Amino acid sequence: GIQVEQSPPDLILQEGANSTLRCNFSDSVNNLQWFHQNPWGQLINLFYIPSGTKQNGRLSATTVATERYSLLYISSSQTTDSGVYFCAVADLSGTASKLTFGTGTRLQVTL
Amino acid sequence: DGGITQSPKYLFRKEGQNVTLSCEQNLNHDAMYWYRQDPGQGLRLIYYSQIVNDFQKGDIAEGYSVSREKKESFPLTVTSAQKNPTAFYLCASGGTGNQPQHFGDGTRLSIL
Repeated sequence: GIQVEQSPPDLILQEGANSTLRCNFSDSVNNLQWFHQNPWGQLINLFYIPSGTKQNGRLSATTVATERYSLLYISSSQTTDSGVYFCAVADLSGTASKLTFGTGTRLQVTL
Repeated sequence: DGGITQSPKYLFRKEGQNVTLSCEQNLNHDAMYWYRQDPGQGLRLIYYSQIVNDFQKGDIAEGYSVSREKKESFPLTVTSAQKNPTAFYLCASGGTGNQPQHFGDGTRLSIL
């Protein structure tokens, strides 16, 4: 199956700093999603980005499918950005998209 | 995400007991999924269903069972055969036709 590696595993930032999270995957994918898991366990969709670049406020993401990696950029970080960021990928089997998750990047933003 | 309801939020299981976790969606999605998350880990796929009355095993199906009698509902039963059931269980739907998967808020299952 597809392997997903995320780096760094842990990250501590001061409020206002910028950061880049990386996701490498081992095979071609038809689906790539970035999620933020908050301290209560809720998994929040950030981006659906199997290729290309998208931006949403202070967050942006780029996937280079031919080189099998994706980057999540967080600018001007805030304490509410703390939590775990997951990258998940899938190749389509039938009509369902079975996601394989990385082990996440745990982000702590301090004052 | 809105539109997917999981219940209960917390569940306790006694030894030898089966328990059922509920997942309901009103997003009109054909596909639904169950994932398990252990502390400090990513999610792993237990079962998925592409359409009513059809479902397939994921990567860690042993000790679990599901049914898909209605499009809106995909309950997960954790059987007594699952020897390490303590985990956070997340239900999702969607993920077809170049659309993302959406997740419910999860159920935390613990052993008494």
